[in-house]
Amino acid sequence: DTAVSQTPKYLVTQMGNDKSIKCEQNLGHDTMYWYKQDSKKFLKIMFSYNNKELIINETVPNRFSPKSPDKAHLNLHINSLELGDSAVYFCATGSGGLIYEQYFGPGTRLTVT
Amino acid sequence: AQKVTQAQTEISVVEKEDVTLDCVYETRDTTYYLFWYKQPPSGELVFLIRRNSFDEQNEISGRYSWNFQKSTSSFNFTITASQVVDSAVYFCALSGPSNFGNEKLTFGTGTRLTIIP
Repeated sequence: DTAVSQTPKYLVTQMGNDKSIKCEQNLGHDTMYWYKQDSKKFLKIMFSYNNKELIINETVPNRFSPKSPDKAHLNLHINSLELGDSAVYFCATGSGGLIYEQYFGPGTRLTVT
Repeated sequence: AQKVTQAQTEISVVEKEDVTLDCVYETRDTTYYLFWYKQPPSGELVFLIRRNSFDEQNEISGRYSWNFQKSTSSFNFTITASQVVDSAVYFCALSGPSNFGNEKLTFGTGTRLTIIP
């Protein structure tokens, strides 16, 4: 069983389109995150949710809207896609507490043409 | 503000050599967590280790070992007897105290390790 899964793995779309990426975890963690990895491999947090509540909202264009329907799912919807949105998007979950760890999904490679 | 510096952008070693990846961090938190992740060519991020700020004990896991030194704000990673499968980008990361979703990881820029057969 995959602990953190993302769909789709690859997403190719044209500028101006709207797309969504889905993330699901079966680890029972309370916290889920979205990270973005750019073409230079730099990783930066975008959002975090704890028990379906938005906690972290970094400086991200409001074209990006996360949604957490339940603790096990965190989706990322992107409106009006731009060339600069091309990146790999990683979902992650956090265990919280003293034994705190973050586990990442396989990533979604988004290419905007 | 938190910061993680991985000064080594790329390292190449011949198989079976030992290699150390450096990580230096900055934080004002008294409680924090340090991580290493491996990103192989397939692209996923593989969790390797987590260290708490209050536990400076070094750790060994097979060919991997980690040296955490608060005095120098460093958390270095050594691979002993490297193998081709160790070729990957390795990221060091830092998080503040665990606090109900506020634990964002600040990543270093990564070190690309190439093991030459």
